[in-house]
Amino acid sequence: AQTVTQSQPEMSVQEAETVTLSCTYDTSESDYYLFWYKQPPSRQMILVIRQEAYKQQNATENRFSVNFQKAAKSFSLKISDSQLGDAAMYFCAYRSPLTGNQFYFGTGTSLTVIP
Amino acid sequence: DVKVTQSSRYLVKRTGEKVFLECVQDMDHENMFWYRQDPGLGLRLIYFSYDVKMKEKGDIPEGYSVSREKKERFSLILESASTNQTSMYLCASSPPRGALHFGNGTRLTVT
Repeated sequence: AQTVTQSQPEMSVQEAETVTLSCTYDTSESDYYLFWYKQPPSRQMILVIRQEAYKQQNATENRFSVNFQKAAKSFSLKISDSQLGDAAMYFCAYRSPLTGNQFYFGTGTSLTVIP
Repeated sequence: DVKVTQSSRYLVKRTGEKVFLECVQDMDHENMFWYRQDPGLGLRLIYFSYDVKMKEKGDIPEGYSVSREKKERFSLILESASTNQTSMYLCASSPPRGALHFGNGTRLTVT
């Protein structure tokens, strides 16, 4: 089974600054999907950004962008101009189109935004 | 927007009770999932379903069963609730090659 590793259990960032959350994964597949989800205290899991492995261009969504390094199997999330509302648990996830419909999640990074 | 609705936000049940957690999605997604979320363990897949009446075991199916009689509804059943099943339960749905869309979660306490 694929594994997803988030090596930073906790991170903090000053409001308006930039922070990068790390994610690495282990796979032998060439075609797959990667996602970042945000889970605020309300518990709702919200999709932040997605990346298809066949696309070389890094995905961006407003203040959120990824650094996708396919050869290194790395998928980091950059949050620019951090806001208080960005405080949440962030999960990295991998989806294989080959192994049924399973998603594989990291254990999460808790992000604190300091005013 | 996709909407995934879980029937209860909070649930308290007694040991040995049969518990039903209901989940409904409104986007005609083929795939539906039940996850359990515990601190330090992340999300763990209990069961998923890729079609009506079809189900597959996930990583931790023991003590659980599921039912999918209609495409939009996926139920998680705890046949005889135990205290170690106290947890947050998340339902999700997805199209074949897309992202998961989650419900709000059900925090279940078994006493």
